[in-house]
Amino acid sequence: AQSVAQPEDQVNVAEGNPLTVKCTYSVSGNPYLFWYVQYPNRGLQFLLKYITGDNLVKGSYGFEAEFNKSQTSFHLKKPSALVSDSALYFCAVRDNGGDDKIIFGKGTRLHILP
Amino acid sequence: DGGITQSPKYLFRKEGQNVTLSCEQNLNHDAMYWYRQDPGQGLRLIYYSQIVNDFQKGDIAEGYSVSREKKESFPLTVTSAQKNPTAFYLCASTDTGTGGSDTQYFGPGTRLTVL
Repeated sequence: AQSVAQPEDQVNVAEGNPLTVKCTYSVSGNPYLFWYVQYPNRGLQFLLKYITGDNLVKGSYGFEAEFNKSQTSFHLKKPSALVSDSALYFCAVRDNGGDDKIIFGKGTRLHILP
Repeated sequence: DGGITQSPKYLFRKEGQNVTLSCEQNLNHDAMYWYRQDPGQGLRLIYYSQIVNDFQKGDIAEGYSVSREKKESFPLTVTSAQKNPTAFYLCASTDTGTGGSDTQYFGPGTRLTVL
């Protein structure tokens, strides 16, 4: 069965510093990996995804993520954080060889300190 | 939230009442999903449907029911059997067809509160 873990409930970063939000996954087949962001009382917004190809994926709002197969990780990164990046971030995985279910992590709350 | 609408935005239910949450999408997506979000627990899958007139239980289907009579609509009914229904409910859809993006697109959510 597929699973995804976000080991940090909360990450605090000073504005202008680089940020990393961690995600690890487990699937039996090849993974489809996603990052979403959620602002208060809103639905989730898609940031980026890895399906195949280059391990470094670039997405919306300057975010990027690196697929690392040996470490089964897909950490979200941004070189310089903005206060407006403060939100709840979800990592998600789908097993390419399975059904259409996508499993979400529990979320990591990102606080960017001015 | 483009292409997926959920209504109402806020919903209040009395004990013992059934309520229905609406989800409509104009993206021509085949698959639709209902999730429940509680603080600190992320998203949990309630039901999903990969095609019209067919749906499957997710991880927490007890106390909920759905229908998929039309491709664009996937309403969720929260029945009186659901003992703790207060939560934020999110609907999503995905293009699972050939050449589909596999990305889930979410509606703005419905916040249900039991009085």
